[in-house]
Amino acid sequence: DIVMTQSPDSLAVSLGERATINCKSSQTILYNSNSKNYLSWYQHKPGQPPKLLIYWASSRESGVPDRFSGSGSGTDFTLTISSLQAEDVAVYYCQQYYTTPWTFGQGTKVEIK
Amino acid sequence: QVQLVQSGAEVKKPGASVKVSCRASGYTFTTSYTHWVRQAPGQGLEWMGLINPGGGSTTYAQKFQGRVIMTRDTSTNTVYMELSSLRSEDTAVYYCSRTPFFDDYRLLYWGQGTLVTVSS
Repeated sequence: DIVMTQSPDSLAVSLGERATINCKSSQTILYNSNSKNYLSWYQHKPGQPPKLLIYWASSRESGVPDRFSGSGSGTDFTLTISSLQAEDVAVYYCQQYYTTPWTFGQGTKVEIK
Repeated sequence: QVQLVQSGAEVKKPGASVKVSCRASGYTFTTSYTHWVRQAPGQGLEWMGLINPGGGSTTYAQKFQGRVIMTRDTSTNTVYMELSSLRSEDTAVYYCSRTPFFDDYRLLYWGQGTLVTVSS
């Protein structure tokens, strides 16, 4: 199975400041034939189902604020929240769909400082 | 609009089985995979497997092989996830989710979640 490892486990950021979450896969999730990274990012708030933010490592889902962005390739990826808002408090997960079983990172809890 | 409505909370004893349903509406049921993802208390998200509602084929995470069965009823647009030999570690919120199309990997639509509690 591909192991997804996120860092940090939690972070506290002031409102309006940048939050950066890292995700590392145990093997490449870049499919050479189409040059796509098989990685998504989800936001999960208590009592709600997860919400898709980013797919193909850097494509923002429709309706997701542009303060959310994804980057990276191969085995190293980053989710950036450029200007943290109160409603962004949540746990964030990276997830690979390169191969089954699909696997998630352990999650990063984002709080307000 | 696309909706996935799951069955209600369950309390089961260790060793028992639970069957969670996920009824779909607002789209053609057989045009994409339905996945099951769970979250145990204080833990992260865990992918359990998927089913093709059209043909009924399944792919399960090895961790659940032999204990999970995913089925579907095309007459009611419902997918089922049955987990057997329950243990306390199976206490979790179980979600169904679907991608928009077969060749689309976005878990875009989610059920509301079903809490399964395993306790003696």
